[in-house]
Amino acid sequence: AQSVTQPDIHITVSEGASLELRCNYSYGATPYLFWYVQSPGQGLQLLLKYFSGDTLVQGIKGFEAEFKRSQSSFNLRKPSVHWSDAAEYFCAVGPGGSQGNLIFGKGTKLSVKP
Amino acid sequence: DTGVSQNPRHKITKRGQNVTFRCDPISEHNRLYWYRQTLGQGPEFLTYFQNEAQLEKSRLLSDRFSAERPKGSFSTLEIQRTEQGDSAMYLCASTREGTQYFGPGTRLLVL
Repeated sequence: AQSVTQPDIHITVSEGASLELRCNYSYGATPYLFWYVQSPGQGLQLLLKYFSGDTLVQGIKGFEAEFKRSQSSFNLRKPSVHWSDAAEYFCAVGPGGSQGNLIFGKGTKLSVKP
Repeated sequence: DTGVSQNPRHKITKRGQNVTFRCDPISEHNRLYWYRQTLGQGPEFLTYFQNEAQLEKSRLLSDRFSAERPKGSFSTLEIQRTEQGDSAMYLCASTREGTQYFGPGTRLLVL
């Protein structure tokens, strides 16, 4: 079955500390992988995506993610968290090409301590 | 603003009423998706259009739900005889080069 697992429901980090959000997926074909961020009551904003090529991808707001095929993982990282990063983060997987729906994880809520 | 727009942003209705939501995709994006997001969950796929053709529907899309995309531009999602379980955020996305861009969503509350 196709699925995305985000093992951490809620993470709290101190401002300025590093961050890693975990994402594991189960997908039959070569996946397209995405991270989105959602602020309360808002839609989803794309942070970054992986289609092919370099397995370390850079995104907006200083985020990066690394695709590890052998571990079926696509973890999101940021070296220094800012208070404005507090939000909910969703990992998603989809088929290659421009068609096909995305399958989302349940999300990880990030809180940032001052 | 050239992003995906959705209207209304919020809708409160009584059980049994019909509601309709609208999504305007980014212009020239020919694929449009609807998702539903309940509290504490990630978005779940409902249906998708390529131009005006509805190509796939999830089993989540009961017969009380109908979606259209006349002329391949904006799309509407209608829920008939709403139930309390329909309370959720309804998200629309349009696609370019394999990437889905989401609108702000319509939050529905069924009393």
